[in-house]
Amino acid sequence: EPEVTQTPSHQVTQMGQEVILRCVPISNHLYFYWYRQILGQKVEFLVSFYNNEISEKSEIFDDQFSVERPDGSNFTLKIRSTKLEDSAMYFCASKLRSSSNTEAFFGQGTRLTVV
Amino acid sequence: DQQVKQNSPSLSVQEGRISILNCDYTNSMFDYFLWYKKYPAEGPTFLISISSIKDKNEDGRFTVFLNKSAKHLSLHIVPSQPGDSAVYFCAARRAEGAQKLVFGQGTRLTINP
Repeated sequence: EPEVTQTPSHQVTQMGQEVILRCVPISNHLYFYWYRQILGQKVEFLVSFYNNEISEKSEIFDDQFSVERPDGSNFTLKIRSTKLEDSAMYFCASKLRSSSNTEAFFGQGTRLTVV
Repeated sequence: DQQVKQNSPSLSVQEGRISILNCDYTNSMFDYFLWYKKYPAEGPTFLISISSIKDKNEDGRFTVFLNKSAKHLSLHIVPSQPGDSAVYFCAARRAEGAQKLVFGQGTRLTINP
């Protein structure tokens, strides 16, 4: 069964460093998302990406964050200068099409720890 | 901004009995609702969904009920099995735009043998 894959599974980085989280969405999907879950809190939307551009972003997704689809398969989330509060599980998700009755498929997540 | 709320952080049910997980929402623009299941160290896995034009959707042991007037939905699992022990997230989205999911806080379901 096709799945969304994320690498690395765990990333430890020093505060102020740049980090890139990688995702390979399901191959024929068109809509891509990043979500995050801070420990003990709910899963929160960060950004959605369609047709090579951001379609929506949350207030969390400030200038320190960026997304890119550098080739036909990868979808990356970059945090330019990490802060302690960026420590969280980051989930990538993809969806086949825009029709309402299709669900998003999630990757297994990358645990980001900022020290 | 608590547009989607799951008021029970945890639920414990005997194996073979019915598990009922509840979810409330405030945004009347939501028109599609989903339940995801999550095991530790894994991403959310889609379980079942329902469109706002329906009031019930069933898939095997899982049934989701939607009460639009009360802005309430519930997930019924019957019979409950030990493998159902996980965190269950209710999520909602609007039809237009990026269709981002708004999640509840999750309910940890434990099925006791």
